[in-house]
Amino acid sequence: LAKITQPISMDSYEGQEVNITCSHNNIATNDYITWYQQFPSQGPRFIIQGYKTKVTNEVASLFIPADRKSSTLSLPRVSLSDTAVYYCLVAGGSQGNLIFGKGTKLSVKP
Amino acid sequence: NAGVTQTPKFQVLKTGQSMTLQCAQDMNHEYMSWYRQDPGMGLRLIHYSVGAGITDQGEVPNGYNVSRSTTEDFPLRLLSAAPSQTSVYFCASRKNVGELFFGEGSRLTVL
Repeated sequence: LAKITQPISMDSYEGQEVNITCSHNNIATNDYITWYQQFPSQGPRFIIQGYKTKVTNEVASLFIPADRKSSTLSLPRVSLSDTAVYYCLVAGGSQGNLIFGKGTKLSVKP
Repeated sequence: NAGVTQTPKFQVLKTGQSMTLQCAQDMNHEYMSWYRQDPGMGLRLIHYSVGAGITDQGEVPNGYNVSRSTTEDFPLRLLSAAPSQTSVYFCASRKNVGELFFGEGSRLTVL
């Protein structure tokens, strides 16, 4: 299983781009990288998933270097509503033992 | 679409009592799992199931039992509750690949 490390917390201001990096040195060949967002008193929800290079959707981008030992979630022009905890998950497609990183608490200030 | 439904949302137990947290999903997902979330500890996997009749242990299984008799339901049982089991519990499901869908959580306090 990939050992996952991510920063405990980050601060930002509205309108800035935020990059949250997840380290996963022992990622396996068939592992995907997935990010989830969690607001207080809610369950986590899926943001984005990727295997290599770059993936972009309507809310975020995910950058994965060639060695895949880390990944960066990029949130463009954050707003106060992006204040949440962001979790990195590294796991194979059909793997059952889905272990999350400890999460990064992002605080966006006006 | 109901998605993943957890009951109860809140529960207070006394040490030694037993209870079952219910989880049901209506998406025909093969995979279901239970996590607990404590301050500063993130999401820790308790048990998971890749299909009816199949269960396995996660990171922190001690003190918890599960069964999976149907595709839809995955109850989590605490046979003898302890204060260390005070936590917020999340159930999640997915097809065998793809994103996890989480319930809204069940907040358990053990006195």
